[in-house]
Amino acid sequence: EEHLVESGGGLVQPGGSLRLSCAASGFTFDTSPMNWFRQAPGKGLEWVSYISSRSNTIYYTDSVKGRFTISRDNAKNSLYLQMNSLSAEDTALYYCAREKVEMTAVSIVNYFDYWGQGTLVTVSS
Amino acid sequence: AIQMTQSPSSLSASVGDRVTITCRASEGIRDDLGWFQQKPGKPPKLLIYAASTLQSGVPSRFSGSGSGTAFTLTITSLQPEDFATYYCLQDYNFPRTFGQGTKVEI
Repeated sequence: EEHLVESGGGLVQPGGSLRLSCAASGFTFDTSPMNWFRQAPGKGLEWVSYISSRSNTIYYTDSVKGRFTISRDNAKNSLYLQMNSLSAEDTALYYCAREKVEMTAVSIVNYFDYWGQGTLVTVSS
Repeated sequence: AIQMTQSPSSLSASVGDRVTITCRASEGIRDDLGWFQQKPGKPPKLLIYAASTLQSGVPSRFSGSGSGTAFTLTITSLQPEDFATYYCLQDYNFPRTFGQGTKVEI
């Protein structure tokens, strides 16, 4: 059975740092692109970052560029998000999600089929 | 960034009703759109991908349609477990962007 388990969240002061981890099991992690999403309390979903299976392609949402760093260790089946210079706007439940990529006869199809339960990051003094 | 405009933001419905939620993209995204269901305290659950493909294990009362800029999620015969918030997500390009969500209430 496929599992994603996030950890590393907690309470941090503005300007502080946290490193989130996402442990994967039950699927072929080293061929799967991965993403981080987040959801502020009572708000909608927001995509945060993407990393390709071999870490050679990375994207961030504009609001975290220069502050967050996504990485992965395929040998450990783990995904990470290093978060620096945190502000109250970063307070959210952070989810990791697997991105499945399928080749069809006419196109490439992407979808997000496995999600973790999330880890809560609270930025407050 | 592509903007996804989802409507309505909320709706009231009864068990057995047919429910339709729409998402409109600010530019063409082919069929690179997914629909998710989220219940309180739970992660999003994938319902539909590639605009109209039902994810494995999802009941057939859920269906998706559309291409380009206009998309629809339809729930035929709403069940008690379907009361939740629904989101669309475009995966055509980066940054990936969600609709604002539709809360389906009794």
